[in-house]
Amino acid sequence: DTAVSQTPKYLVTQMGNDKSIKCEQNLGHDTMYWYKQDSKKFLKIMFSYNNKELIINETVPNRFSPKSPDKAHLNLHINSLELGDSAVYFCASSSRGRYNSPLHFGNGTRLTVT
Amino acid sequence: DAKTTQPPSMDCAEGRAANLPCNHSTISGNEYVYWYRQIHSQGPQYIIHGLKNNETNEMASLIITEDRKSSTLILPHATLRDTAVYYCIVRSLTGANSKLTFGKGITLSVRP
Repeated sequence: DTAVSQTPKYLVTQMGNDKSIKCEQNLGHDTMYWYKQDSKKFLKIMFSYNNKELIINETVPNRFSPKSPDKAHLNLHINSLELGDSAVYFCASSSRGRYNSPLHFGNGTRLTVT
Repeated sequence: DAKTTQPPSMDCAEGRAANLPCNHSTISGNEYVYWYRQIHSQGPQYIIHGLKNNETNEMASLIITEDRKSSTLILPHATLRDTAVYYCIVRSLTGANSKLTFGKGITLSVRP
């Protein structure tokens, strides 16, 4: 059973297009994240949602808009795609009870902007 | 910014123990030491975490020095599938803004 699943696995698109990446977790977690891994392999947090509420918003262009329809889903919509958006995007989830549980990551969506 | 420092790379022979060091001299009292790894083309995988006591699970052991300024992740019998980038991270276990901040990690190469 896949714990954190992302779709699509690969996404190739042209500059200026709008695209979405979907993420779903079946772990019963209440917190979800988006991370970006660039060509230099640095993993950086972009957003975090807890119970559908945005709690972490790093310095990310407004073209990126996360949407959490429910606790099990966190989608990432990107407007007006640029070449620099090419990267691997990872979704993750955790539980924020008394203590924060470890994060579980999906296997990533490789976005290529041409 | 990452609050840990790790050597860029190391290797070990298959079947031998792999000891991966990490320095976290500025760790706070409420911060835990986490280890994750990323195998090529996959998402980061949680390995283990600890506060001040040594910890062991089915994947690895974590040894934290008494002053908590450094730690060592031990893979007792490394296999070729353990070749990956290993990240040592300090993170508060509580707080809504607790973030998992990745550094450069250490690339472990397990040789046959």
